[in-house]
Amino acid sequence: AQKITQTQPGMFVQEKEAVTLDCTYDTSDPSYGLFWYKQPSSGEMIFLIYQGSYDQQNATEGRYSLNFQKARKSANLVISASQLGDSAMYFCAMREGRTGANSKLTFGKGITLSVRP
Amino acid sequence: DVKVTQSSRYLVKRTGEKVFLECVQDMDHENMFWYRQDPGLGLRLIYFSYDVKMKEKGDIPEGYSVSREKKERFSLILESASTNQTSMYLCASDRTAYSNQPQHFGDGTRLSIL
Repeated sequence: AQKITQTQPGMFVQEKEAVTLDCTYDTSDPSYGLFWYKQPSSGEMIFLIYQGSYDQQNATEGRYSLNFQKARKSANLVISASQLGDSAMYFCAMREGRTGANSKLTFGKGITLSVRP
Repeated sequence: DVKVTQSSRYLVKRTGEKVFLECVQDMDHENMFWYRQDPGLGLRLIYFSYDVKMKEKGDIPEGYSVSREKKERFSLILESASTNQTSMYLCASDRTAYSNQPQHFGDGTRLSIL
């Protein structure tokens, strides 16, 4: 079974509007962390936001926020006030375990976001 | 800022060649990783290393080997390149101690095997 599922193949959003990118995960470990990365067409992977399984509040970083629903095992990325520069591929990833000793990340297949002017 | 540097952005090699992809990080990270990225498949882990001279297989190690002689450098080796190894290769590093730390990536190498 896939550990990270991103089922939206491609998303479109109008500039200045908000958009939600979906991510569901599967783990039996009570301690885990969820990461979102952005990959523009140039190829580099840019870390956006992190959510820990024990965090009481949803993570926020500027225009990025995480809609973390632990019981549903979902960690959707919300981008507010979309900009043309947000057009990219977005990856959700999970690390299981309490410490970085088991440091592997499992990635989803990614979602392509296109922002329309 | 963490800097992960991959030796080439674009590389073209021939079938059967031995290919070396080099990665260097400057933040004294214990862990280093090699991924390949293919359309529709996301990132898949090839090998990772948690210390000098230590390595562990990831999800798709077949056809690849790695070398970590120094803490800052992690090399991916295609022993005998084949066309199905044409892909984007990404190197990453992170620190062992904290599970909330992201992996830091290089800019990637787009490798074409002809």
